[in-house]
Amino acid sequence: QVQLQESGPGLLKPSQSLSLTCTVSGGSISSGGVYWSWLRQHPGEGLEWIGYISDSGSTYYNPSLKSQVVISLDTSQNQFSLRLSSVTAADTAVYYCARVTYYYHRSGYQPVFDYWGQGTLVTVSS
Amino acid sequence: DIQMTQSPSSVSASVGDTVTITCRASEGLSSYLAWYQQKPGKPPKVLIYGASDLQGGVPSRFSGSGSGTDFTLTISSLQPEDFATYYCEQAYSFPFTFGQGTKLEIK
Repeated sequence: QVQLQESGPGLLKPSQSLSLTCTVSGGSISSGGVYWSWLRQHPGEGLEWIGYISDSGSTYYNPSLKSQVVISLDTSQNQFSLRLSSVTAADTAVYYCARVTYYYHRSGYQPVFDYWGQGTLVTVSS
Repeated sequence: DIQMTQSPSSVSASVGDTVTITCRASEGLSSYLAWYQQKPGKPPKVLIYGASDLQGGVPSRFSGSGSGTDFTLTISSLQPEDFATYYCEQAYSFPFTFGQGTKLEIK
């Protein structure tokens, strides 16, 4: 059973950089055909996809955050990471890491967030 | 970005009822739509992908339909554990986007 766990600081000041790590257990982060993703959820709101990285290191970011975001892979530690630069109060949210698997259906292959971490609250406040 | 609009934003129902939630996309998705269930303090859980394909382990009382821009999630014979918030998500094009959520509450 694949499990994901986020870790990182819960409180940041404006203009600092947010760094979170997702540790994957129960499976290799290098297994082919899956991607590793970050999402966030602002308090009381819906979900926002931040981006994802393939097992070979190719990245895809949400254009709304692209200038701030870097997602990277550490295969030796079976981890992947999120770095968000120059945070503001608007970046206060619960951050989730998730595995993305492409499932086949009648129209083709669809990326599905099939395993999630429990989430970690990051607060940006002076 | 593709905008996803769910309705209603909240709904009250009783155990045993059937509930339908609607999701409309700002442009056609073919069948690249998923539904997620989220309970307070927990991460989302995928229920349906491909608009109508049930994820493994999900009870058959959950069903999805639709294609293009209009989709529905139907929950039949509601159980106490079904009271949660439901999100649709489009995976047709980057960036992936979610609806604002529908909160299913106990009447």
